[in-house]
Amino acid sequence: RKEVEQDPGPFNVPEGATVAFNCTYSNSASQSFFWYRQDCRKEPKLLMSVYSSGNEDGRFTAQLNRASQYISLLIRDSKLSDSATYLCVVKGAAGNKLTFGGGTRVLVKP
Amino acid sequence: EPEVTQTPSHQVTQMGQEVILRCVPISNHLYFYWYRQILGQKVEFLVSFYNNEISEKSEIFDDQFSVERPDGSNFTLKIRSTKLEDSAMYFCASSEARLVGTEAFFGQGTRLTVV
Repeated sequence: RKEVEQDPGPFNVPEGATVAFNCTYSNSASQSFFWYRQDCRKEPKLLMSVYSSGNEDGRFTAQLNRASQYISLLIRDSKLSDSATYLCVVKGAAGNKLTFGGGTRVLVKP
Repeated sequence: EPEVTQTPSHQVTQMGQEVILRCVPISNHLYFYWYRQILGQKVEFLVSFYNNEISEKSEIFDDQFSVERPDGSNFTLKIRSTKLEDSAMYFCASSEARLVGTEAFFGQGTRLTVV
């Protein structure tokens, strides 16, 4: 089983719509969870950290389900500029390396 | 806003040659990392570095790779004898602390092409 698994997409989303997607992780000892955004051939940029109680940042909502070992990201009122690859990232308890999922590609269309 | 900077942005090298990729982490950060991303694939961890030594490395980071912090600001990745399969985007990252939840900031990357 892959350490961090994501649906590669693409998710084709009409502008203004809501899109949600998940990521699963295999290591139950994982401690920190993040969503990063990556534009084509650019560096990953932190979108938001994911907390146990769930958290919201503007149009973005992240949830963590430790029992089922998955993380979700919901984007409301999608903008054209939200088109990107969203990377699910997990940090373990023992070390400080980040383990990346393969990314979910989102295409927002007018 | 402070940022991680990497040079060069693109390097082309012949197979078997040595390359050095350079990074300047954010100045008050203590942890430094190298990741790589082969075109079309996921970002993969190579190595982390703290207090002038490697703290963790992946199986990718074999004897052909080395890291160094030659002075107070630069952090380098050396590939001793490049192979075609080393062609990838190499990202340097740094973080302030090892604490749970601390984010890592990434540089813009060096695209390495081995021919």
